[in-house]
Amino acid sequence: SQQGEEDPQALSIQEGENATMNCSYKTSINNLQWYRQNSGRGLVHLILIRSNEREKHSGRLRVTLDTSKKSSSLLITASRAADTASYFCATTKTSYDKVIFGPGTSLSVIP
Amino acid sequence: GAVVSQHPSWVICKSGTSVKIECRSLDFQATTMFWYRQFPKQSLMLMATSNEGSKATYEQGVEKDKFLINHASLTLSTLTVTSAHPEDSSFYICSAELGSHSNTEAFFGQGTRLTVV
Repeated sequence: SQQGEEDPQALSIQEGENATMNCSYKTSINNLQWYRQNSGRGLVHLILIRSNEREKHSGRLRVTLDTSKKSSSLLITASRAADTASYFCATTKTSYDKVIFGPGTSLSVIP
Repeated sequence: GAVVSQHPSWVICKSGTSVKIECRSLDFQATTMFWYRQFPKQSLMLMATSNEGSKATYEQGVEKDKFLINHASLTLSTLTVTSAHPEDSSFYICSAELGSHSNTEAFFGQGTRLTVV
């Protein structure tokens, strides 16, 4: 079964705007990862944030983690048309554990 | 970084035939690998946990006799879709974890798109 929820399910923004996607999960976690998937393609790993971390940055990406609320957010700043894809959060409960994916957010960036 | 290689990347087969998908960890050993399935416009769903040298653990609702998993070595797990039918058409992807103690990270293969005609 899936770990939690993501919202919004779909997001459409203009190029240059920021996009924020949220993810909630139900149990304690070891780490949380965000992935991007272009239509019909494989997963692209974006960021991994561990349970003892609160925020991480990578280029235009910013991920936060609030373990007290069991939630995470992914912020993409200055979005580009090439950012159009599905974004999934995924969690593991312990090390070497299976990865459980959220339902994903479909992002459309309009040029 | 660690690489997980999956083969083939796509396959088309006739209904009733069997298809084998390979998942290899290229530069590390993986005692455990995971297999996922993704239907169009849906998320990835865990099918089974592949354990080297022992039987796989299947998630509820996944038929073990239909999706045969073999993990004969520390670098190779295979998923065989037996007697494939059109409803088995999907994107299949494997993963393996690498790291130490509490610091592990999942690495995914490129995925295999199976079309059963």
